[in-house]
This record gives sequence, structure tokens and C-alpha cells, in this order.
Amino acid sequence: EAQVTQNPRYLITVTGKKLTVTCSQNMNHEYMSWYRQDPGLGLRQIYYSMNVEVTDKGDVPEGYKVSRKEKRNFPLILESPSPNQTSLYFCASSLKKTATLYGYTFGSGTRLTVV
Amino acid sequence: EDQVTQSPEALRLQEGESSSLNCSYTVSGLRGLFWYRQDPGKGPEFLFTLYSAGEEKEKERLKATLTKKESFLHITAPKPEDSATYLCAVQEGGGYNKLIFGAGTRLAVHP
Repeated sequence: EAQVTQNPRYLITVTGKKLTVTCSQNMNHEYMSWYRQDPGLGLRQIYYSMNVEVTDKGDVPEGYKVSRKEKRNFPLILESPSPNQTSLYFCASSLKKTATLYGYTFGSGTRLTVV
Repeated sequence: EDQVTQSPEALRLQEGESSSLNCSYTVSGLRGLFWYRQDPGKGPEFLFTLYSAGEEKEKERLKATLTKKESFLHITAPKPEDSATYLCAVQEGGGYNKLIFGAGTRLAVHP
């Protein structure tokens, strides 16, 4: 089944403890992106990647890192999480040639709580 | 600044009571406008893409329309299973087809 898989689904952590949220897609998509979703603010882009080893900042990149060493994987790294990073995170991907037709395929989300 | 605004924030309907959700946008070089459905605890699921003013797309009880400044998602005779959050997003031009999302409309359809 074609899908974007995120892990974990739920995570509670303490301020300052480094964490990684994994994202993997099995559709050979070039584009991958991370969004956070907060009430009243909608989905905001954190980072995106146009292909392997090519990443760039989105609208809210502060406090986050990403890497794209393989085409299928795009992990999100929080080096020193803070409570304002408590949010619902989504990974998304698309083929370059169909991004204008279908937008993105989204993962099921990771709900992160930083205490 | 590129912006997408959805209204209302929440909508409660009785089963069979038709209504419309609104998405107004300001973006330079619109490449496409997308509607997604999001169920609780899940990621957004693609519904429609609209490209030019006057275009319409339909899927079951849903019909999306587009003007130069806004899009409407019409829901005809809704059922409880249509309850979800509906997200609107615009895609701007350039080398990377970035999506800019609105905050969504939470729809609840009661029997």
C-alpha cells in the first residue's frame, strides 16, 4: 500500500531532551515536507526537501533540523525541544510531476508534548 | 503576503441540511487550489484540485467551485459520515510547489 509512515504516533518528552520523528514513504516521491498543525493556525511548513541531499527552510524552521540521506526517509530532529514545540506534526510527500494535480500525501501524524 | 482564510471556523448541520464552506485567498501566481478532508487523529486526505476561475469539481455530496478570490465547498444533503475538518490550500508558483493552508472548517453533521 502506498503510504507515508511516521513514528512515533504519540510522544511525551521533557524540555531539552533531543528527539527524532521518523518519516518514510514507499512511493518514490522526490518532494518531502514537514508541517506542524496548531489550533487556529492551520498547517505550517517547517522544512522541505526537493530530493536527496537537498533541503530548505519552510515558514517555521526555528528549533528543528532535517536530513535527506535517502529518497524514502526524511526525519525531523528536535535538538533541544521546548514547550512551544508541543504540536501535531505531519510528514507529506509528492511526485514532482503530480504535485500540481494532487498536492501531497500525508502521514497519520505525530502528536508531540514537551513538558 | 500570501494568505488563506477559511470560514466559518465551525459548522453544525442537521443531516440533509445543505451548506457551503468558504476559502478566500491572496497569492501571487496561483497554480492550484486544493481541498482536503481531515478526520480526527489522521492526516489530511486529498479531495479536489481547482486551477482556474469558473472551474467546478464534484465528488459524491461535495462540489468545489473557484473564483479569482475564493473557493466554495458545497455540501449537498450531508450525512453524519461527512463530519470532519475541511482544509483549503493554495499552491504558489516557483520551482517548489509550496502549499499554504487555511486553518480549516470543522463540520459536524448530526442525525
